Amino acid sequence: ELKVEQNPLFLSMQEGKNYTIYCNYSTTSDRLYWYRQDPGKSLESLFVLLSNGAVKQEGRLMASLDTKARLSTLHITAAVHDLSATYFCAVHSGGGADGLTFGKGTHLIIQP
Amino acid sequence: KAGVTQTPRYLIKTRGQQVTLSCSPISGHRSVSWYQQTPGQGLQFLFEYFSETQRNKGNFPGRFSGRQFSNSRSEMNVSTLELGDSALYLCASSLWDRGFNYGYTFGSGTRLTVV
Repeated sequence: ELKVEQNPLFLSMQEGKNYTIYCNYSTTSDRLYWYRQDPGKSLESLFVLLSNGAVKQEGRLMASLDTKARLSTLHITAAVHDLSATYFCAVHSGGGADGLTFGKGTHLIIQP
Repeated sequence: KAGVTQTPRYLIKTRGQQVTLSCSPISGHRSVSWYQQTPGQGLQFLFEYFSETQRNKGNFPGRFSGRQFSNSRSEMNVSTLELGDSALYLCASSLWDRGFNYGYTFGSGTRLTVV
């Protein structure tokens, strides 16, 4: 059974600081997704990582994937208040027809 | 282009009733999958439909069912509602081409409250 673990589950940080969210998964997967969710809202796609060593950046967010270690990271650079949200990583096993398995999410609060 | 449309946005039902939720995917997307989100269990996969066929199902009781129509619109049904079915139900639309999934776009969700 595929398991996805995120840490930390809760993170409070100050604006301007850097931090990393980690996502570990238990079995081989051909891709990994990062999503953002604001309170009461749906999931917004941030990144799709398809291969080992993949790195994608969008603004202050950068995601990477190490398929050998079964680890993805979401790095936040010089955080701003608008990045406050819950961030989820999700994985599906090969083929993708079995749905996504999500981590529990990282609730990120960025304080001025 | 239009995104994923879920209706209704909010529902309040009584225990024992049944409910039907609807999802219209992005035009051209033939795959629709459903997820349940609760504070305790997080996001859990319910099932996926592709070209009117259920391709996979998560670990939910038979009270949860779904279907997909020829225009790719999908419905999910929950019968004999229980308090624990209160959740945000999200549907995701995806484009598959030659066995490759181009990612998932989620709708705004239906917030179901069972009283």
